[in-house]
Amino acid sequence: SQQGEEDPQALSIQEGENATMNCSYKTSINNLQWYRQNSGRGLVHLILIRSNEREKHSGRLRVTLDTSKKSSSLLITASRAADTASYFCATDAAGETSGSRLTFGEGTQLTVNP
Amino acid sequence: DTGVSQDPRHKITKRGQNVTFRCDPISEHNRLYWYRQTLGQGPEFLTYFQNEAQLEKSRLLSDRFSAERPKGSFSTLEIQRTEQGDSAMYLCASSRSGRGEQYFGPGTRLTVT
Repeated sequence: SQQGEEDPQALSIQEGENATMNCSYKTSINNLQWYRQNSGRGLVHLILIRSNEREKHSGRLRVTLDTSKKSSSLLITASRAADTASYFCATDAAGETSGSRLTFGEGTQLTVNP
Repeated sequence: DTGVSQDPRHKITKRGQNVTFRCDPISEHNRLYWYRQTLGQGPEFLTYFQNEAQLEKSRLLSDRFSAERPKGSFSTLEIQRTEQGDSAMYLCASSRSGRGEQYFGPGTRLTVT
């Protein structure tokens, strides 16, 4: 079963706008990761944030983590048409060796219109 | 770094047939994972290996499913007596011990008719 829930399920924006996606999860975690998946293809790792971190940046990506609320958000700034994809959060549960199973949310489908 | 590769990319089979998929991980990665993804859903964990040892299996992995990683390099996932409910994308990923991020292959799309 999926641990996470992502919100919104779908998001449509214009090129240049920012996109924010949210993820909630249920159990304690070692880390939380975000992945991108283009239509019908494999997943690409975007960013990992550890449970003792609150915010992390990578290029146009900003991730926040609130362990008290068991939630995370992914912000993509200055979006491009090439950012059109499904975005998934995935958690590595605490109590297990880091790098074991990931539990994915159901994803947010982002469409960036030129 | 050639990335994770999977073969075949697509497989169409009739119900009741056996199928086998192969995954070649990134060469220096000692951990290998199998996930299954159905349309509109996130990937669901099936099993993972550290070197040649299968360390964890999901309850999703019925006794019709078996995975091997005989020499700690490539892995195979076999599904026996396929059912229509097995139709999905089967994803393989690899990682290094102690590193959280996983690197995914392009997947094998299975269609059971």
